[in-house]
Amino acid sequence: AQSVTQLDSQVPVFEEAPVELRCNYSSSVSVYLFWYVQYPNQGLQLLLKYLSGSTLVKGINGFEAEFNKSQTSFHLRKPSVHISDTAEYFCAVSVAVDTGRRALTFGSGTRLQVQP
Amino acid sequence: ETGVTQTPRHLVMGMTNKKSLKCEQHLGHNAMYWYKQSAKKPLELMFVYNFKEQTENNSVPSRFSPECPNSSHLFLHLHTLQPEDSALYLCASSPGGLAGLYNEQFFGPGTRLTVL
Repeated sequence: AQSVTQLDSQVPVFEEAPVELRCNYSSSVSVYLFWYVQYPNQGLQLLLKYLSGSTLVKGINGFEAEFNKSQTSFHLRKPSVHISDTAEYFCAVSVAVDTGRRALTFGSGTRLQVQP
Repeated sequence: ETGVTQTPRHLVMGMTNKKSLKCEQHLGHNAMYWYKQSAKKPLELMFVYNFKEQTENNSVPSRFSPECPNSSHLFLHLHTLQPEDSALYLCASSPGGLAGLYNEQFFGPGTRLTVL
C-alpha cells in the first residue's frame, strides 16, 4: 500500500523568505502527485500536479514542486512567500491499484505560517 | 454557481437529531467523494460514488448514510451521531469512469459539523 509523509506539521517563515514543504511517498508503482492548499474555512484547492514529463512542475501563486523518483519525494517550494500564503498544505499521491483504477492518499498536512 | 458547493456550511446537532449534508457539483464530473477532516489527522475518505454507484465505503459507521441520486448531487444523511463525529466534512468530485477515479479532485468548502 502507498503512503504519504509530510515531515513537518508546521513551518514558520518570515514574509519574503523562501520556503520548502517536504513530501515523501512510498510506492513501487507509477504515481501521480499533487499538492493542495487549504485556506481557513475553505476546501482544498489544487496548487499543482505531476502526471508525467518534466519533473519540475509549476503551479498557481508562484509555487513549484520537483518530482524526484530516486528519493521518492515531491517537495513544494516558493522563492518568496507572502502573508496570504498562510494555509495548510497537503501532498497527495495517486497510484494504480488495478486495471483502470487508482487510489488517492493524502498526507497529514503542513501548516505554513508566514510572519511579517 | 460553479465548482463544488456544499450546504450547510455550519451545522450544530444533538446526538438524537437527524440531519443531511448536501453537495452539488457543476463540473460535469461523474465521480463524487465524501471525506472527513478532523484536527491533526489526515483526510479520511468515507465514500466514493462513480456514475451514481457506490464503489467504496471505508468502514464508515452506519450512522452515516450516503445517497447519490444523480452524478451532480451527493448527500450524507446523519443520525444518532457521537461527539467524536464533529469534524469538517468535505465533498469532492472528479472525472468519472474507472480511469478518472482518484485523479485530480475538486473540493467543496466543507460543512463544519458540531455534535453536542
